[in-house]
Amino acid sequence: GAGVSQSPSNKVTEKGKDVELRCDPISGHTALYWYRQSLGQGLEFLIYFQGNSAPDKSGLPSDRFSAERTGGSVSTLTIQRTQQEDSAVYLCASSRNTGSHGELFFGEGSRLTVL
Amino acid sequence: KQEVTQIPAALSVPEGENLVLNCSFTDSAIYNLQWFRQDPGKGLTSLLLIQSSQREQTSGRLNASLDKSSGRSTLYIAASQPGDSATYLCAVRQEYNFNKFYFGSGTKLNVKP
Repeated sequence: GAGVSQSPSNKVTEKGKDVELRCDPISGHTALYWYRQSLGQGLEFLIYFQGNSAPDKSGLPSDRFSAERTGGSVSTLTIQRTQQEDSAVYLCASSRNTGSHGELFFGEGSRLTVL
Repeated sequence: KQEVTQIPAALSVPEGENLVLNCSFTDSAIYNLQWFRQDPGKGLTSLLLIQSSQREQTSGRLNASLDKSSGRSTLYIAASQPGDSATYLCAVRQEYNFNKFYFGSGTKLNVKP
């Protein structure tokens, strides 16, 4: 697609439920990043995928968070047993990391509210 | 570890003024620096990307400069408009850890009509 696409744009869930957030990166971008932005805060790195390499999961805040990237394209971020502190905007970004200037492009984000 | 700082955290100016936003970083071994704009409730929009070998980049009323040795970048906005009101973030990409981006916490700009 023309840009990074994220869905859903808004998700309201009850505490304890699982949620899945989806990211469709720009076609041809091998690198995909997930960030979290809590209200009024900066960007918090969560996880990074590069091609077929093992992902960098160093930013995941707990084992309730996981992500996968199928076929080197679409990625899904899963949060199990959601807590109120998980409420935030989850941003996905992609980049063409090889043979390019490495510009980073973001999606519009998925706003998660845990009641 | 790289640290990126943006000062001021907030800025309010009257329409028509030229203004400068600042971004500083502690480790000069960067690959590139990127400026973004974020509107409330939205994602980040890329404004300008400066490679480490470049001194500046221009797009319309925006001009970004980079002084790698001193660890500084500025974003100059000419003839500001109310539509420029947003949060502006800078991010650096490391030379030796290409996959990592380090973000500043942003400058929230308000341009008053």
